[in-house]
Formats: sequence, structure tokens, C-alpha cells
Amino acid sequence: KNQVEQSPQSLIILEGKNCTLQCNYTVSPFSNLRWYKQDTGRGPVSLTIMTFSENTKSNGRYTATLDADTKQSSLHITASQLSDSASYICVVSPRNDYKLSFGAGTTVTVRA
Amino acid sequence: EAGVAQSPRYKIIEKRQSVAFWCNPISGHATLYWYQQILGQGPKLLIQFQNNGVVDDSQLPKDRFSAERLKGVDSTLKIQPAKLEDSAVYLCASSLRLAGRNEETQYFGPGTRLLVL
Repeated sequence: KNQVEQSPQSLIILEGKNCTLQCNYTVSPFSNLRWYKQDTGRGPVSLTIMTFSENTKSNGRYTATLDADTKQSSLHITASQLSDSASYICVVSPRNDYKLSFGAGTTVTVRA
Repeated sequence: EAGVAQSPRYKIIEKRQSVAFWCNPISGHATLYWYQQILGQGPKLLIQFQNNGVVDDSQLPKDRFSAERLKGVDSTLKIQPAKLEDSAVYLCASSLRLAGRNEETQYFGPGTRLLVL
């Protein structure tokens, strides 16, 4: 059973609008959580990383939040641009293992 | 800084044929990973090397897949013989140290897109 669940599976938004992606995980104990952006035909690129003691991290128009108590994270995209069209993957690192748990990703399509 | 290089970028083969993928990690990165990413899914770890030693290959289908990292730098992943369900993107990644448990960043290559007919 996948320990990282992402929602929605996909979404379409208009350029300039905001959107929020969700990541729920069951990995425990937990060390850190990353959000990756994967453009079509390319490898994932790290956007943000949060340890269990952090509850928010920003990278430009991307803001990630973390609630370690409820084991939930979100990625908020502000004022979306066409270049934000990509898959966004949530990756959770356990505290006592080297194995990473990947979510299936959310595909975001930004339309003009 | 040069990124992770992979080749070929695309490969089309028939089932039962063999195929090999090559990866050159970022210079100085001790850890190298091979992932399989099926369309619509997140990457699945196949094998993880620390220098030229295998750290984890528990999800590598060893009856048909093999990988090596001679001299602790470049790596090759081979499939022999290929099956239809092997159609996927094969991603190579590297990091300075083992990712997981710490905040080490993995850097991914562009991937090799394999289609098995």
C-alpha cells in the first residue's frame, strides 16, 4: 500500500489563478517531506523541503505547508503561469530508513 | 554545474529484446538511483548504489533487470528480455550522500522513455 496519497489526480486552472495540491502520508516516524515539479519529458526538480519541525516553506510563487500531527501537506501555487503546467510529486523520507516514499503526483494544466 | 546525464532519451524495442540505459551522475555524488516511472504514477525505486556498492535492490526484477556501477561513477541498467509492461520512463538520480533520513537532495536526469512493442 502506497504510504503517500496525492489529490487531486489532475486539475486545470486558468492563468493567473491560484490552486492547492494535497499530500497525505502515513510514513512514520517521519524525517522530511519534499515537493518536486516534473515538467513533461524531464526529471523531477526539488521545489521545497520541510522537516517535521517546519510548517511552511516558500519558493517564489510556491508555498508548501506541513501538519505533522495530521500527516498532511499542501502545495499552493499563487498567480499561476503557463510554465506551472507540470506534475507535482510529494516525497516523504522516513526517520529510520533510507527508502523514500513517492506519491503518484498531481498533474496541473494552466490554460491561457 | 552539469546535471545528471542519461542516454538514450528514447528507445523502442520489441518484446523479448534486450536494452541498456546509461547514466552519468553529477560529479562527486556518491549515491546513484535508478527509478521506473510508469505513465501516471510516481517513480518507483529499482536500485540504489552507494559508490559502487548496492544499498537497495529489493524492487529490482532480478530475473530480467540488472544494473552495475563500475568504478563508482557511471551506471548502466539492462533489461533482458524486455516485456510489454516494462514500457516506462527510466529515471536516474544522484545525490551527495544517501537521501532519506536526512535532507539530501536528489538530482534527476531527463529519463529514458522506453516503449516495448
